[in-house]
Amino acid sequence: DGGITQSPKYLFRKEGQNVTLSCEQNLNHDAMYWYRQDPGQGLRLIYYSQIVNDFQKGDIAEGYSVSREKKESFPLTVTSAQKNPTAFYLCASSISSQPQHFGDGTRLSIL
Amino acid sequence: GQQVMQIPQYQHVQEGEDFTTYCNSSTTLSNIQWYKQRPGGHPVFLIQLVKSGEVKKQKRLTFQFGEAKKNSSLHITATQTTDVGTYFCARDNAGKSTFGDGTTLTVKP
Repeated sequence: DGGITQSPKYLFRKEGQNVTLSCEQNLNHDAMYWYRQDPGQGLRLIYYSQIVNDFQKGDIAEGYSVSREKKESFPLTVTSAQKNPTAFYLCASSISSQPQHFGDGTRLSIL
Repeated sequence: GQQVMQIPQYQHVQEGEDFTTYCNSSTTLSNIQWYKQRPGGHPVFLIQLVKSGEVKKQKRLTFQFGEAKKNSSLHITATQTTDVGTYFCARDNAGKSTFGDGTTLTVKP
């Protein structure tokens, strides 16, 4: 089945650590996105990539980094500079500006 | 920024009542997308509207795009408990997506 796989489902981070969230898609989509969702709130765009080896900052990129070395993969690193990283992280992909398909998400918590 | 505003933030209805959520933008939208997120789940695409004044239906759901392409609405007729969740509208601007804050619907059986 085609889809988007995010791992892990739950992740715990110690203060001062960087952690990387995985996002893989086999839908052959050019565009990929990372969102952050806080409890009871909407989705805020962290980074997006419309093509391999290129990505742009979203609305809340500070404290995060991404790479897009392969079409299928768009990992997100939450760095120690992100002071409030506890949130639900959602990865999505799409064909250009068409509707997005979302993964199941990763819940990140601080120990 | 190019935000989309959604109202209301929360809506609690009795099963069988109707429900409407509204999405508004200060700028003209090229298109508007609607998504549903069940509690604990991820957003799932419902529909995309592109044309001015467009109306689309999916069973009990009716989606409208305003004539000026600055607002949109989602109406659910005779809500059921399976309709619970948060409904988001989203705009796309050259690949950069902006989601509204959503309307969370709860349905009392």
